[in-house]
Amino acid sequence: DGGITQSPKYLFRKEGQNVTLSCEQNLNHDAMYWYRQDPGQGLRLIYYSQIVNDFQKGDIAEGYSVSREKKESFPLTVTSAQKNPTAFYLCASSPGPGQPQHFGDGTRLSIL
Amino acid sequence: DQQVKQNSPSLSVQEGRISILNCDYTNSMFDYFLWYKKYPAEGPTFLISISSIKDKNEDGRFTVFLNKSAKHLSLHIVPSQPGDSAVYFCAASGYSSASKIIFGSGTRLSIRP
Repeated sequence: DGGITQSPKYLFRKEGQNVTLSCEQNLNHDAMYWYRQDPGQGLRLIYYSQIVNDFQKGDIAEGYSVSREKKESFPLTVTSAQKNPTAFYLCASSPGPGQPQHFGDGTRLSIL
Repeated sequence: DQQVKQNSPSLSVQEGRISILNCDYTNSMFDYFLWYKKYPAEGPTFLISISSIKDKNEDGRFTVFLNKSAKHLSLHIVPSQPGDSAVYFCAASGYSSASKIIFGSGTRLSIRP
């Protein structure tokens, strides 16, 4: 049963701490994405990767970092430089550019 | 600068009637449009799409209409069912762009009995 798994579902961060959100897919998709959703807003693209060992900044990349060492995995690190990290984070994958994306169930990050 | 706009944050429709969700876009380079449905605490799921070479695409109770001259698309759901209550996101991309899909802010659809 293929899909995208995001963990954890809820995450709490202390001020000044880096945290890493996990995203794993077994759909054999080349492209993976990270989005952020804030109340009343759409999904804003943080980073995306079209192929292993390559990734590009999205519209709101500041304060975030990613890696794509394996096709199945695209972890997102929220660094202490991200001043407003409280949000719902969604990971997605797709077979290729512009094709419909499959989403995980998200991680809700809160600041303590 | 919102390239994809959903101007109605919410919509309430009686069960059995037609639901019409609207979406406007500003970038004339967009040539592929999608609708996603999202339940609370879950990720969005792909619903239906349309390319710019068509003006209509139908899948069961869901039909998407595209008016390129007005840069407007709409999603029709008929008949509306209680399980259709969710947030609907409109999204757009260009085949020539580097796989970026731009999402609207969403419309919350509530189906009342």
